[in-house]
Amino acid sequence: EIVMTQSPATLSVSPGDRATLSCRASQSASTNLAWYQQKPGQAPRLLIYGVSTRATGIPARFSGSGFVTEFTLTISSLQSEDFAFYYCQQYNDWPLTFGGGTKVEI
Amino acid sequence: QVQLQESGPGLVKPSQALSLTCTVSGGSIITGDYFWSWIRQPPGKGLEWIGYIYYSGSTYYTPSLKSRLSMSVDTSKNQFSLRLSSVAAADTAVYFCAGVRRGKGIDCWGQGTLVTVSS
Repeated sequence: EIVMTQSPATLSVSPGDRATLSCRASQSASTNLAWYQQKPGQAPRLLIYGVSTRATGIPARFSGSGFVTEFTLTISSLQSEDFAFYYCQQYNDWPLTFGGGTKVEI
Repeated sequence: QVQLQESGPGLVKPSQALSLTCTVSGGSIITGDYFWSWIRQPPGKGLEWIGYIYYSGSTYYTPSLKSRLSMSVDTSKNQFSLRLSSVAAADTAVYFCAGVRRGKGIDCWGQGTLVTVSS
């Protein structure tokens, strides 16, 4: 299976800052890479799919980039509602696999 | 817009079977767009995709759980189900049902249901 590794585990930032989250795949995920946001007690929410396409209703401050095995989620100017956990996930091959997550905290 | 809702017991004894059902509303389960999936999250930990069932009944299970896992679909009720046998404390988690859309990742999720394995 494709192992997904996220870094850092925790990112401490201030509102208005730019946040950069990384995700690495153990083998090619092609362009089948998604990012999710999860807040405590809630289900994850799809932010980005296809490496860089924002899901419906996702603000433009969220952007994704990358290629094959190295991917990045950037939040250009953090808002208070953006403090949460973020997970990358590959859907290039079964089984689907998630990274371990990055906690974005104040 | 498709909505999902999990249902089932919140407490299961060790060695018994865990059974959950997901009801799909706002759309038909008989769509070629989705691989109907289960995902779990142990308390304080990350997400683990468990497996999918297609509306036709074809399945794929994650290898680590394959020997204990079965999924089924009831198209007449717009539901799909999960059964995990011989559970242990390590199976305690919030279980989400979800839809994996071709080429788009997981774009619909249930709210999740906590299942605790304890005597």
